[in-house]
Amino acid sequence: GENVEQHPSTLSVQEGDSAVIKCTYSDSASNYFPWYKQELGKGPQLIIDIRSNVGEKKDQRIAVTLNKTAKHFSLHITETQPEDSAVYFCASLSDYKLSFGAGTTVTVRA
Amino acid sequence: DAGVIQSPRHEVTEMGQEVTLRCKPISGHDYLFWYRQTMMRGLELLIYFNNNVPIDDSGMPEDRFSAKMPNASFSTLKIQPSEPRDSAVYFCASSPQGGQPQHFGDGTRLSIL
Repeated sequence: GENVEQHPSTLSVQEGDSAVIKCTYSDSASNYFPWYKQELGKGPQLIIDIRSNVGEKKDQRIAVTLNKTAKHFSLHITETQPEDSAVYFCASLSDYKLSFGAGTTVTVRA
Repeated sequence: DAGVIQSPRHEVTEMGQEVTLRCKPISGHDYLFWYRQTMMRGLELLIYFNNNVPIDDSGMPEDRFSAKMPNASFSTLKIQPSEPRDSAVYFCASSPQGGQPQHFGDGTRLSIL
């Protein structure tokens, strides 16, 4: 089955700085890569996604890049704010099933 | 718009009891997924349905677990008998035709004593 690895497991940044989270996947047939943000006591919320025919996608302060050849994708958050503090999960879709990374706990220091 | 609704939000019960978790997907979504989240194993897919039909239940850990979707607006995940190692947060998610994106509910935190 699909194996998704996510790094780092924790990330602490100063407010206003950028945060980068990286993921790799194993199934070359995977074609859809969403990122989720999970706050305490809540379910994962989709924040951005990218499909395999696109290399980069941006939505305000959030951007995702995909390198299909290397099988890795990354989340970039610019101008971080305290409300960006949460656990972030990458995922890879193969055969309608999402496989998730282990998560990155992001802490934005004021 | 209403999102995915799960109930109960919290469940505490004793080992051996039957547990039933409930989910109402987003109206019009064709796919429904049940996940389990633990510190040790992260987010794991248990089973998913397409148009109320179970498609892949390979993630269901044991025969003690069963899931049903009697109609397009309701699904249940049942554990009988429950064991302490079943303690986790269980999420339901739904998605439109095509399988993505998946929208998650806020989960049921299950504690088996």
